[in-house]
Amino acid sequence: ETGVTQTPRHLVMGMTNKKSLKCEQHLGHNAMYWYKQSAKKPLELMFVYNFKEQTENNSVPSRFSPECPNSSHLFLHLHTLQPEDSALYLCASSRSFTGAEQYFGPGTRLTVT
Amino acid sequence: RKEVEQDPGPFNVPEGATVAFNCTYSNSASQSFFWYRQDCRKEPKLLMSVYSSGNEDGRFTAQLNRASQYISLLIRDSKLSDSATYLCVGRRRGADGLTFGKGTHLIIQP
Repeated sequence: ETGVTQTPRHLVMGMTNKKSLKCEQHLGHNAMYWYKQSAKKPLELMFVYNFKEQTENNSVPSRFSPECPNSSHLFLHLHTLQPEDSALYLCASSRSFTGAEQYFGPGTRLTVT
Repeated sequence: RKEVEQDPGPFNVPEGATVAFNCTYSNSASQSFFWYRQDCRKEPKLLMSVYSSGNEDGRFTAQLNRASQYISLLIRDSKLSDSATYLCVGRRRGADGLTFGKGTHLIIQP
């Protein structure tokens, strides 16, 4: 299943590093999302993009910076992260921002040391 | 109070049994509800939408009770492959993203 792909699948970074997560959807969808999944916690919505425009920023710290150059690609730029930012970062897309069904990518498992 | 609450389980159920779990939501502005399934170390996938009139998809039945603000999922004739975490999900009117519960872990035992 390659509807939504994410790279890298695993990332280990130090607190002073800068890295980027990439998401690509091949479904022709117009809305894309970033979620964070930590152990023992529910998925947390981070950012929403609809037709490349950010429509929601769920009080996410500025050390996470999203970028959506077009409807098919979504990035999450990371800098000066904290160990508590270690989590699974999931990208999702849907036909529209009101779309009932969101298709998730496999996620990037991030460890901040 | 969390927006969407579920019993995390685990629910250990013998193969062939019927299992049901509920989810409660606190925000009456929540408009749409869904059940997603997440296998270990995999991404969530939509299992089914939930309608007020109740809906069925094979062995799975979902119900929504707006008056009591809860959603239920019933699995009949459970299979080993049903073992997964079931996520209760809501979407508020006018909101773009989904609100997920922590999930209920289901283990079907042979």
